[in-house]
Amino acid sequence: NAGVMQNPRHLVRRRGQEARLRCSPMKGHSHVYWYRQLPEEGLKFMVYLQKENIIDESGMPKERFSAEFPKEGPSILRIQQVVRGDSAAYFCASSPDRVNEQYFGPGTRLTVT
Amino acid sequence: TQLLEQSPQFLSIQEGENLTVYCNSSSVFSSLQWYRQEPGEGPVLLVTVVTGGEVKKLKRLTFQFGDARKDSSLHITAAQPGDTGLYLCAGPTSSASKIIFGSGTRLSIRP
Repeated sequence: NAGVMQNPRHLVRRRGQEARLRCSPMKGHSHVYWYRQLPEEGLKFMVYLQKENIIDESGMPKERFSAEFPKEGPSILRIQQVVRGDSAAYFCASSPDRVNEQYFGPGTRLTVT
Repeated sequence: TQLLEQSPQFLSIQEGENLTVYCNSSSVFSSLQWYRQEPGEGPVLLVTVVTGGEVKKLKRLTFQFGDARKDSSLHITAAQPGDTGLYLCAGPTSSASKIIFGSGTRLSIRP
């Protein structure tokens, strides 16, 4: 049973470009969470999605950031017009039930130059 | 706002020693989880504690949930270099809309 998959593992973007981060949850999991982690810090909640619905986006910046989890395909975290401050590790987690134990992917490390 | 505070923030000890790290809140949590994260990887779930006063053991790791369900501790016996990593506690918010994480304890075990 494959775990949570994220791609790409590393992403380099220049300021002003768009970044698209993908997350495929574990088989049978319909709940997806995105977190951001800066070096030497803990995980900061961004958004919680269930298939085709955003449940809680209280941790998402109001501008430039969006997330979706379509009926088919992976969840996407999209960052438009990236700035240097967006450089971080972005982790996706999935769970079979609401706010249950979460299983994390390996993360995408975004570097904005 | 529910918060989880972890202490100490950093801990460096010699191989073979025992240690305890803490996760505290002023709020009641229905459950708390502990994760370990190694450099360059995602967090890995170690345990979930649900009942106040509950104690769970995972080999040399002992997890305890406070009676009032506001705090938890992780005790490691005879620490080994493989225990090195970032230990995170986490719990669901009262609205059950998300899981929040503590800032973590970064543990380093010297051979």
